[in-house]
Amino acid sequence: AQSVAQPEDQVNVAEGNPLTVKCTYSVSGNPYLFWYVQYPNRGLQFLLKYITGDNLVKGSYGFEAEFNKSQTSFHLKKPSALVSDSALYFCAVRFSGGYNKLIFGAGTRLAVHP
Amino acid sequence: GAVVSQHPSRVICKSGTSVKIECRSLDFQATTMFWYRQFPKKSLMLMATSNEGSKATYEQGVEKDKFLINHASLTLSTLTVTSAHPEDSSFYICSARDRQGSVYEQYFGPGTRLTVT
Repeated sequence: AQSVAQPEDQVNVAEGNPLTVKCTYSVSGNPYLFWYVQYPNRGLQFLLKYITGDNLVKGSYGFEAEFNKSQTSFHLKKPSALVSDSALYFCAVRFSGGYNKLIFGAGTRLAVHP
Repeated sequence: GAVVSQHPSRVICKSGTSVKIECRSLDFQATTMFWYRQFPKKSLMLMATSNEGSKATYEQGVEKDKFLINHASLTLSTLTVTSAHPEDSSFYICSARDRQGSVYEQYFGPGTRLTVT
């Protein structure tokens, strides 16, 4: 069965420092992986996706993620965090059944301190 | 870019009444729309997948008679919570897939906060 795990409920980082939000997955077949960000009382905004190709994927707002097949991971990274990056981050995997459904991880709250 | 709207953004209703939430794709046609429910500090739970002109496909454990979904056009899907109860209070989010876009991308609406008193 497809699943996504985000092992950290919250990540705290100082502004200007690099950040990593972890995600591991379990899928049958090729994984299609996504990261979304959610600000308070808002819907989800797409950050980036991995479908195929280069393992390092660059996305919006300076975020990037590295697909690691051997570790079944897709960690989200940013070289220098901003206070405005503070939000809830979701990793998701496309369900291999019909309609391209997404299965979401539990979410990780990122807090960037000045 | 692709924009999805939801109306209303917030709604308060009394227990036993029904409430309708609209999800619209503003600048693209959406053959498929998805409805999610999000509990406080929790992840999104997929409730159902709706395809234009056909019946919605509900996830296991979601009551189809309680959460009525209609996808009557390529730009509009509605979720009606019938005979609402306080436990139905939640944040409801829809998403839509662009008919002419990537099959891998979904565009999310801003969400509707439902409070049942």
